[in-house]
Formats: sequence, structure tokens, C-alpha cells
Amino acid sequence: ETGVTQTPRHLVMGMTNKKSLKCEQHLGHNAMYWYKQSAKKPLELMFVYSLEERVENNSVPSRFSPECPNSSHLFLHLHTLQPEDSALYLCASSQDRRAGETQYFGPGTRLLVL
Amino acid sequence: DAKTTQPNSMESNEEEPVHLPCNHSTISGTDYIHWYRQLPSQGPEYVIHGLTSNVNNRMASLAIAEDRKSSTLILHRATLRDAAVYYCIRRNYGGSQGNLIFGKGTKLSVKP
Repeated sequence: ETGVTQTPRHLVMGMTNKKSLKCEQHLGHNAMYWYKQSAKKPLELMFVYSLEERVENNSVPSRFSPECPNSSHLFLHLHTLQPEDSALYLCASSQDRRAGETQYFGPGTRLLVL
Repeated sequence: DAKTTQPNSMESNEEEPVHLPCNHSTISGTDYIHWYRQLPSQGPEYVIHGLTSNVNNRMASLAIAEDRKSSTLILHRATLRDAAVYYCIRRNYGGSQGNLIFGKGTKLSVKP
């Protein structure tokens, strides 16, 4: 247990569906991250939140919409996804955004878009 | 750009030491070397990090070359639970961003 939980662990959705991924950290951290891990590709950073404010969006399509209502929770809202969006979505947190802070990852949500 | 080079895969026997190499020939003076690993069906987890001196913790040891252009993660006695993808990552402490840039890593297989 890393102190970062993600729900659901598995999700199958159609291209017209709307769904949300949830991440919760119990570590008192101030920074949270969304990563995408596609088959045979390195982990890609999607979004970074610091003190509930989005500080980085790495050219992610608008069909992915993050939300950070408080420092413990992070959501990724999904709508009109494409089959190529099927991947493992990982959430992470760290004490803050300073370089060198260890990031703690959740187990991920495995998403399949049909 | 991960800016590190690692072998795609390595094999080890259980109970034997494992040396996982990483090349970072363009490293700058403020770059630390971090290692994370990702076990099957899990998110990555921190292993160890260092700047110039060799480092030890309960999980592993990190040996950094004198010119800092390469480093080696050492697992002293591999177990089946150490089978994972190991990522060597440069992190610039001179900046304010704490982003991790992952490469493809080394997939370690451990044989009983």
C-alpha cells in the first residue's frame, strides 16, 4: 500500500460514454499527477496539480478533463474517447513539486475503450 | 526525452546479485539519478537516488561512476518479487519542477 488509491481498477467504456477516474491520497501531499501508460510506450505525464491548482497540461486532448477539488482527491473525467486512449492511467502524489520529492503511485485504472 | 539509456531486458537467477546499468552521458551538475521500478499490475515505486556518492538503502545500492556518466543499480540478492521494469531517471534539482520523465526501462526477469 502506497497511500494512493484509485477507482475503479478496471473500466470498459464505449466511445460515446462519459466516465470518471478517481484518485485519493492519504499522505498529506500537496502535488498530484495523472500519467498515461500505453502498451509498449513509456509513462507519459498528462497533468500536474499543485495545491489544487493545475500547473501543467502536457498537450492532452480536451476529451480528458482533470479536476482537483481538494488536496486529497484528483479526478479524470473522460468523454468521447477513442480506442487509442485505451491504457493504464496512473495517479501519483508527492509532498510538493520540488525536484527530488519522491512520487507515490497508485495501482492504476486499466481502461479499455471499445 | 528520458535522457538515459538502459538495456531493454536482463535475466537473473534467484538469490544472486543483479547489476542494472544506466547510461546518462549528458548529465549536468545538478541532475540526480533516481531509480523507480514497476512490478506487474502495479504503479511505479521509488527505489533509490543519488548524486555523486554511492548510496545504500534497504532495497538496493546505487553505484555512480566517478564522471557521473553512468550508474548501476545493485540488487544484492534477487528474489522472484524483484521481477519488474526498472527505470533510471535524471532529475534536475536546479529547477523547480518535480516531473519524472520515464524511458522504457529495463525489464528484469528472475529465474528460480
